Amino acid sequence: EAGVAQSPRYKIIEKRQSVAFWCNPISGHATLYWYQQILGQGPKLLIQFQNNGVVDDSQLPKDRFSAERLKGVDSTLKIQPAKLEDSAVYLCASSLGIKETQYFGPGTRLLVL
Amino acid sequence: QKEVEQDPGPLSVPEGAIVSLNCTYSNSAFQYFMWYRQYSRKGPELLMYTYSSGNKEDGRFTAQVDKSSKYISLFIRDSQPSDSATYLCAMSANAGGTSYGKLTFGQGTILTVHP
Repeated sequence: EAGVAQSPRYKIIEKRQSVAFWCNPISGHATLYWYQQILGQGPKLLIQFQNNGVVDDSQLPKDRFSAERLKGVDSTLKIQPAKLEDSAVYLCASSLGIKETQYFGPGTRLLVL
Repeated sequence: QKEVEQDPGPLSVPEGAIVSLNCTYSNSAFQYFMWYRQYSRKGPELLMYTYSSGNKEDGRFTAQVDKSSKYISLFIRDSQPSDSATYLCAMSANAGGTSYGKLTFGQGTILTVHP
C-alpha cells in the first residue's frame, strides 16, 4: 500500500514570497491533516479536513496560510507571503476517519531566507 | 504552560540498555495516548497506542499511562542502534466536535543508542 505522498521535499524561498505544498493521502482515507513542525518541537496541527470539508483550522494563521482539498482527495497548503518564522517541516497525514490512526508523509522542509 | 511537556533530552545510551521516555500533560480530557517514532528526515510513525490508564506491551516496547498523575511513559528494553530516533508522545481527547481526533504532541525526545 502506497503511503502519504508529499511534494516538494525541500523548498527555499525569500521572505514575502509565496509557496505551495501538495499532499496525496493514502487511497480511501477520508481525513487529511496538515501539521507544522518547527525544529526541536513536536508537530502542531494547522488544519484538518474530513473529505473536502474543514473540521478544524483554529491554529491556521489565516492571514497568510490557506489550504484546500478539492474533490476530497489531494490537498494543497499555501503560504503567502512567507515570513522567516514559517521555516519548518510541513507534514501531511491521513486517516480512514477522524478517530483512526494517522499516517504521516515524509514532509516538506521549508526554509525562508 | 504547554498542554503536553516532554523532556527533549538528548538521551544517549549503550546498546542493550533500558530506556525510559516520559511525558506529562495538563488537559484532563485526554483519553487516547500515543507514542510516535520519527527518524531523521522522515514523518512520524505510530509505535504504541493506549486508551485511558494502564499498561500495554508490544515486543521490546511498553507504554504506561497514569491518568491520576497525568503522566505517560514509554519503556524500551534491550535497546538497539536502530532505535535511534526522536520519540514523540501525542494525546487526544474523547470529545465530540472539532477536538475529536485532534492530536497534541510533546516536543520529542532525541534518543541515540550507540553500539
